[in-house]
Amino acid sequence: GAGVSQSPRYKVAKRGQDVALRCDPISGHVSLFWYQQALGQGPEFLTYFQNEAQLDKSGLPSDRFFAERPEGSVSTLKIQRTQQEDSAVYLCASSLQTGVGQPQHFGDGTRLSIL
Amino acid sequence: DQQVKQNSPSLSVQEGRISILNCDYTNSMFDYFLWYKKYPAEGPTFLISISSIKDKNEDGRFTVFLNKSAKHLSLHIVPSQPGDSAVYFCAASEGGYQKVTFGTGTKLQVIP
Repeated sequence: GAGVSQSPRYKVAKRGQDVALRCDPISGHVSLFWYQQALGQGPEFLTYFQNEAQLDKSGLPSDRFFAERPEGSVSTLKIQRTQQEDSAVYLCASSLQTGVGQPQHFGDGTRLSIL
Repeated sequence: DQQVKQNSPSLSVQEGRISILNCDYTNSMFDYFLWYKKYPAEGPTFLISISSIKDKNEDGRFTVFLNKSAKHLSLHIVPSQPGDSAVYFCAASEGGYQKVTFGTGTKLQVIP
């Protein structure tokens, strides 16, 4: 497809389980972002990659959250020992390159529910 | 600390009339502003942007106005169409860096 693809679309997990969320960015896009969107809120920045390098992870809420993009394309966001407050929609976005004027293209997100 | 604020959670407008969505920000280092549109169960879609060196940017029915002294921007949609019904997010970034800070969104309903 031409857009950013995220999988799974929905994920239900029990508290304490580990989850992995996948993002396939638009082909050729250098920059990749992860956001967390709680109900009724705007997306909140989690982390940013330029190719395979994670340049900013200041938004990750705890050390239970880990993101990787080993080959500079597909990215995985992993949440260990999930808690109920991790329930949210996780959005991935990509852009062609860094710099002003490069809008981010979003996937449809993964809705994570922690029971 | 909400650096980008959208104080109107919802707005209803008659089809054909103007829709005005407002946004305020507190971080004076923001120099690039964007509006995104979001339909239910979909990711946000980029709509229009403006650099801090400008005070207006127009793209078809959509115009964004920036008032730096007031730290305020607005999105005008003229004429409004039912397909414009969605949640609109205001967003901002600083220093050419693509980390974007989003507002909480305004749900626009255009009534046929």
